[in-house]
Amino acid sequence: DGGITQSPKYLFRKEGQNVTLSCEQNLNHDAMYWYRQDPGQGLRLIYYSQIVNDFQKGDIAEGYSVSREKKESFPLTVTSAQKNPTAFYLCASSRGQAATNEKLFFGSGTQLSVL
Amino acid sequence: GENVEQHPSTLSVQEGDSAVIKCTYSDSASNYFPWYKQELGKRPQLIIDIRSNVGEKKDQRIAVTLNKTAKHFSLHITETQPEDSAVYFCAAKGTGGSYIPTFGRGTSLIVHP
Repeated sequence: DGGITQSPKYLFRKEGQNVTLSCEQNLNHDAMYWYRQDPGQGLRLIYYSQIVNDFQKGDIAEGYSVSREKKESFPLTVTSAQKNPTAFYLCASSRGQAATNEKLFFGSGTQLSVL
Repeated sequence: GENVEQHPSTLSVQEGDSAVIKCTYSDSASNYFPWYKQELGKRPQLIIDIRSNVGEKKDQRIAVTLNKTAKHFSLHITETQPEDSAVYFCAAKGTGGSYIPTFGRGTSLIVHP
Protein backbone atom coordinates (compact mmCIF):
# COMPACT_ATOMS: atom_id res chain seq x y z
CA ASP A 1 0.00 0.00 0.00
CA GLY A 2 1.79 3.12 -1.15
CA GLY A 3 0.84 6.17 -3.08
CA ILE A 4 -1.40 8.09 -0.71
CA THR A 5 -0.65 8.37 2.98
CA GLN A 6 -2.83 9.69 5.78
CA SER A 7 -1.71 10.46 9.29
CA PRO A 8 -2.33 10.00 12.07
CA LYS A 9 -4.37 6.81 12.06
CA TYR A 10 -6.19 7.86 15.25
CA LEU A 11 -6.74 11.40 16.51
CA PHE A 12 -8.49 12.79 19.54
CA ARG A 13 -9.90 16.29 19.78
CA LYS A 14 -10.72 18.26 22.86
CA GLU A 15 -13.56 20.77 23.07
CA GLY A 16 -12.74 24.00 21.28
CA GLN A 17 -9.63 22.59 19.65
CA ASN A 18 -8.70 22.65 15.99
CA VAL A 19 -7.00 19.54 14.65
CA THR A 20 -5.30 18.90 11.32
CA LEU A 21 -5.32 15.66 9.37
CA SER A 22 -2.49 15.05 6.98
CA CYS A 23 -2.77 13.66 3.44
CA GLU A 24 0.23 13.18 1.17
CA GLN A 25 0.41 11.51 -2.26
CA ASN A 26 3.34 10.61 -4.47
CA LEU A 27 1.24 9.59 -7.47
CA ASN A 28 1.65 12.94 -9.24
CA HIS A 29 -2.13 13.31 -9.17
CA ASP A 30 -3.66 16.72 -9.84
CA ALA A 31 -6.92 16.19 -7.96
CA MET A 32 -7.34 15.47 -4.26
CA TYR A 33 -10.42 14.98 -2.10
CA TRP A 34 -11.55 14.70 1.49
CA TYR A 35 -14.46 12.45 2.44
CA ARG A 36 -16.17 11.85 5.73
CA GLN A 37 -17.47 8.35 6.46
CA ASP A 38 -20.14 7.73 9.08
CA PRO A 39 -21.87 4.37 9.58
CA GLY A 40 -24.76 4.06 7.14
CA GLN A 41 -23.98 7.41 5.53
CA GLY A 42 -21.62 6.39 2.79
CA LEU A 43 -18.88 8.74 1.68
CA ARG A 44 -19.70 12.42 1.88
CA LEU A 45 -17.49 14.99 0.19
CA ILE A 46 -16.01 17.70 2.38
CA TYR A 47 -13.60 19.53 0.05
CA TYR A 48 -11.80 18.86 -3.17
CA SER A 49 -8.96 20.40 -5.11
CA GLN A 50 -8.36 20.10 -8.82
CA ILE A 51 -5.07 21.97 -8.88
CA VAL A 52 -2.53 23.58 -6.59
CA ASN A 53 -3.72 26.73 -4.80
CA ASP A 54 -7.33 26.02 -5.67
CA PHE A 55 -10.02 24.11 -3.80
CA GLN A 56 -13.79 23.87 -3.70
CA LYS A 57 -16.37 23.12 -1.04
CA GLY A 58 -18.11 19.78 -1.15
CA ASP A 59 -21.45 18.82 0.32
CA ILE A 60 -20.52 19.14 4.01
CA ALA A 61 -17.76 21.79 4.18
CA GLU A 62 -19.04 23.67 7.24
CA GLY A 63 -16.61 23.44 10.15
CA TYR A 64 -13.71 22.31 7.97
CA SER A 65 -10.90 24.07 6.13
CA VAL A 66 -8.21 22.92 3.69
CA SER A 67 -5.17 24.19 1.86
CA ARG A 68 -3.37 23.05 -1.29
CA GLU A 69 0.01 24.73 -1.31
CA LYS A 70 1.77 21.75 -2.84
CA LYS A 71 0.61 19.21 -5.39
CA GLU A 72 1.48 16.36 -3.03
CA SER A 73 -0.29 17.63 0.06
CA PHE A 74 -3.90 18.39 0.98
CA PRO A 75 -4.31 18.79 4.76
CA LEU A 76 -7.74 19.03 6.36
CA THR A 77 -8.37 21.10 9.49
CA VAL A 78 -11.35 20.22 11.62
CA THR A 79 -12.22 23.42 13.43
CA SER A 80 -14.04 23.97 16.70
CA ALA A 81 -17.04 25.03 14.62
CA GLN A 82 -17.58 21.41 13.61
CA LYS A 83 -19.86 20.24 16.40
CA ASN A 84 -19.96 16.59 15.49
CA PRO A 85 -16.46 15.74 14.27
CA THR A 86 -16.34 12.09 15.32
CA ALA A 87 -16.01 10.14 12.08
CA PHE A 88 -13.64 8.27 9.81
CA TYR A 89 -11.94 10.65 7.37
CA LEU A 90 -10.70 9.46 4.00
CA CYS A 91 -8.43 11.33 1.65
CA ALA A 92 -8.37 10.41 -2.03
CA SER A 93 -6.65 11.47 -5.22
CA SER A 94 -7.14 11.03 -8.93
CA ARG A 95 -5.07 11.85 -11.97
CA GLY A 96 -7.39 14.67 -12.91
CA GLN A 97 -10.85 15.61 -13.92
CA ALA A 98 -10.83 14.38 -17.52
CA ALA A 99 -13.06 11.53 -18.57
CA THR A 100 -10.32 8.91 -18.45
CA ASN A 101 -8.96 9.89 -15.07
CA GLU A 102 -11.82 9.28 -12.70
CA LYS A 103 -10.45 6.37 -10.65
CA LEU A 104 -10.06 7.41 -7.02
CA PHE A 105 -7.14 6.19 -4.94
CA PHE A 106 -7.88 6.31 -1.24
CA GLY A 107 -5.68 6.68 1.79
CA SER A 108 -6.07 4.36 4.76
CA GLY A 109 -8.05 6.91 6.75
CA THR A 110 -7.97 8.76 10.05
CA GLN A 111 -10.40 8.00 12.85
CA LEU A 112 -11.19 11.22 14.72
CA SER A 113 -12.83 11.07 18.11
CA VAL A 114 -13.84 13.73 20.60
CA LEU A 115 -12.55 13.53 24.17
CA GLY B 1 -27.01 17.71 -8.14
CA GLU B 2 -26.72 13.97 -8.47
CA ASN B 3 -28.46 11.71 -5.95
CA VAL B 4 -27.54 8.03 -5.64
CA GLU B 5 -29.68 5.53 -3.76
CA GLN B 6 -28.21 2.12 -2.88
CA HIS B 7 -30.00 -1.02 -1.68
CA PRO B 8 -29.89 -3.09 0.38
CA SER B 9 -27.91 -1.61 3.25
CA THR B 10 -27.05 -5.10 4.48
CA LEU B 11 -26.92 -8.34 2.53
CA SER B 12 -26.24 -11.74 4.05
CA VAL B 13 -25.62 -14.78 1.83
CA GLN B 14 -24.23 -18.28 2.08
CA GLU B 15 -20.91 -19.07 0.46
CA GLY B 16 -21.46 -20.01 -3.17
CA ASP B 17 -24.66 -18.01 -3.54
CA SER B 18 -24.97 -14.93 -5.75
CA ALA B 19 -25.27 -11.40 -4.42
CA VAL B 20 -26.86 -8.41 -6.13
CA ILE B 21 -26.58 -4.79 -5.05
CA LYS B 22 -28.69 -2.15 -6.77
CA CYS B 23 -28.25 1.59 -7.22
CA THR B 24 -30.36 4.29 -8.80
CA TYR B 25 -29.24 7.74 -9.85
CA SER B 26 -31.06 10.95 -10.61
CA ASP B 27 -28.97 12.80 -13.20
CA SER B 28 -29.70 11.39 -16.64
CA ALA B 29 -26.46 12.98 -17.89
CA SER B 30 -24.28 10.84 -15.59
CA ASN B 31 -21.88 8.80 -17.66
CA TYR B 32 -19.54 6.91 -15.34
CA PHE B 33 -20.50 4.38 -12.66
CA PRO B 34 -17.76 2.90 -10.46
CA TRP B 35 -18.03 0.38 -7.66
CA TYR B 36 -15.68 0.42 -4.67
CA LYS B 37 -15.07 -2.33 -2.13
CA GLN B 38 -13.99 -1.53 1.42
CA GLU B 39 -12.86 -4.44 3.54
CA LEU B 40 -12.98 -4.03 7.29
CA GLY B 41 -10.32 -1.60 8.45
CA LYS B 42 -9.03 -0.98 4.94
CA ARG B 43 -9.31 1.72 2.30
CA PRO B 44 -11.95 1.61 -0.45
CA GLN B 45 -10.66 0.23 -3.74
CA LEU B 46 -12.17 0.30 -7.20
CA ILE B 47 -13.32 -3.17 -8.27
CA ILE B 48 -15.22 -2.47 -11.47
CA ASP B 49 -16.68 0.44 -13.40
CA ILE B 50 -18.92 0.99 -16.37
CA ARG B 51 -19.53 3.87 -18.74
CA SER B 52 -22.87 4.97 -20.12
CA ASN B 53 -22.17 3.65 -23.61
CA VAL B 54 -21.97 0.07 -22.30
CA GLY B 55 -24.81 -2.03 -20.90
CA GLU B 56 -22.81 -4.69 -19.10
CA LYS B 57 -19.26 -5.38 -18.02
CA LYS B 58 -17.83 -8.51 -16.47
CA ASP B 59 -14.62 -9.32 -14.64
CA GLN B 60 -14.38 -12.91 -13.43
CA ARG B 61 -17.01 -13.34 -10.70
CA ILE B 62 -18.23 -9.76 -10.69
CA ALA B 63 -20.35 -7.98 -13.24
CA VAL B 64 -22.09 -4.64 -13.49
CA THR B 65 -25.18 -3.87 -15.52
CA LEU B 66 -26.52 -0.46 -16.47
CA ASN B 67 -30.02 0.52 -17.51
CA LYS B 68 -29.85 4.15 -18.67
CA THR B 69 -33.56 4.41 -19.35
CA ALA B 70 -34.47 3.41 -15.82
CA LYS B 71 -31.38 5.13 -14.37
CA HIS B 72 -30.22 2.19 -12.38
CA PHE B 73 -27.16 -0.01 -12.25
CA SER B 74 -26.33 -3.17 -10.35
CA LEU B 75 -23.37 -5.14 -9.09
CA HIS B 76 -23.57 -8.91 -9.40
CA ILE B 77 -21.22 -11.23 -7.54
CA THR B 78 -21.44 -14.93 -8.37
CA GLU B 79 -20.10 -17.88 -6.37
CA THR B 80 -19.53 -15.68 -3.34
CA GLN B 81 -16.62 -16.41 -1.04
CA PRO B 82 -15.96 -15.28 2.55
CA GLU B 83 -13.33 -12.84 1.27
CA ASP B 84 -16.09 -11.03 -0.61
CA SER B 85 -17.37 -9.84 2.76
CA ALA B 86 -16.98 -6.06 2.76
CA VAL B 87 -18.85 -2.81 2.31
CA TYR B 88 -19.57 -2.01 -1.34
CA PHE B 89 -20.19 1.53 -2.58
CA CYS B 90 -21.68 2.50 -5.88
CA ALA B 91 -21.14 5.95 -7.36
CA ALA B 92 -22.28 8.02 -10.30
CA LYS B 93 -20.38 10.78 -12.00
CA GLY B 94 -22.20 13.42 -13.96
CA THR B 95 -21.11 15.86 -16.58
CA GLY B 96 -20.94 19.58 -16.33
CA GLY B 97 -18.76 21.63 -14.05
CA SER B 98 -18.09 19.02 -11.41
CA TYR B 99 -16.49 15.68 -12.17
CA ILE B 100 -16.82 14.51 -8.61
CA PRO B 101 -18.62 11.18 -8.19
CA THR B 102 -21.57 10.96 -5.82
CA PHE B 103 -21.55 7.86 -3.65
CA GLY B 104 -24.36 5.65 -2.41
CA ARG B 105 -24.60 4.86 1.29
CA GLY B 106 -22.97 1.48 0.97
CA THR B 107 -24.00 -2.16 1.30
CA SER B 108 -22.48 -4.39 3.93
CA LEU B 109 -22.14 -7.84 2.34
CA ILE B 110 -21.65 -10.77 4.69
CA VAL B 111 -20.77 -14.14 3.19
CA HIS B 112 -21.25 -17.00 5.60
CA PRO B 113 -18.95 -20.02 5.15
